[in-house]
Amino acid sequence: GNSVTQMEGPVTLSEEAFLTINCTYTATGYPSLFWYVQYPGEGLQLLLKATKADDKGSNKGFEATYRKETTSFHLEKGSVQVSDSAVYFCALSQGVGGFKTIFGAGTRLFVKA
Amino acid sequence: SQTIHQWPATLVQPVGSPLSLECTVEGTSNPNLYWYRQAAGRGLQLLFYSVGIGQISSEVPQNLSASRPQDRQFILSSKKLLLSDSGFYLCAWDSGNTIYFGEGSWLTVV
Repeated sequence: GNSVTQMEGPVTLSEEAFLTINCTYTATGYPSLFWYVQYPGEGLQLLLKATKADDKGSNKGFEATYRKETTSFHLEKGSVQVSDSAVYFCALSQGVGGFKTIFGAGTRLFVKA
Repeated sequence: SQTIHQWPATLVQPVGSPLSLECTVEGTSNPNLYWYRQAAGRGLQLLFYSVGIGQISSEVPQNLSASRPQDRQFILSSKKLLLSDSGFYLCAWDSGNTIYFGEGSWLTVV
């Protein structure tokens, strides 16, 4: 079956450091891929998504490229801020509707000033 | 634009008491609706989803139930809470295959 694996956290970075959170997936066909962010005490917010191979999703300085050949969707940001401290979830979905959405376990990011 | 609201935001309930969490979606009709649970420090667990009024699918057998009395209303209930029901409950809807979440409800069972 389909699955999502993301790097274990927590990840601790200093402000202005480069961020990479790895995400790989297993799926048949061509799923859509997502990154969600959860700030402390809040629900999940859609950060970015990509629906086909080689698509790049981007938002708020974050980017992720849908790599079919390596079945990956790594999240990157060139310069993190303290306000980026949150839990990041990678997810995939196939078919119509969100019924078959699978979420990774989440990666907690701490950014120090 | 579409918005989703759920309440209450926080509640502390004794073991054995009932539960009712409510969620409403605005700006769309006949949405697919979801209830997820997030235990402390853990990932997301899909509990229920609904494709229409009165139509509920349960993903995990447990002490909880869900109902959809109106098109844009989704309710999560329990008759008798257990300590293990504590967690962060998230209502969600989808557009295409993209899921959008509400603000969440913190439940502590004591």
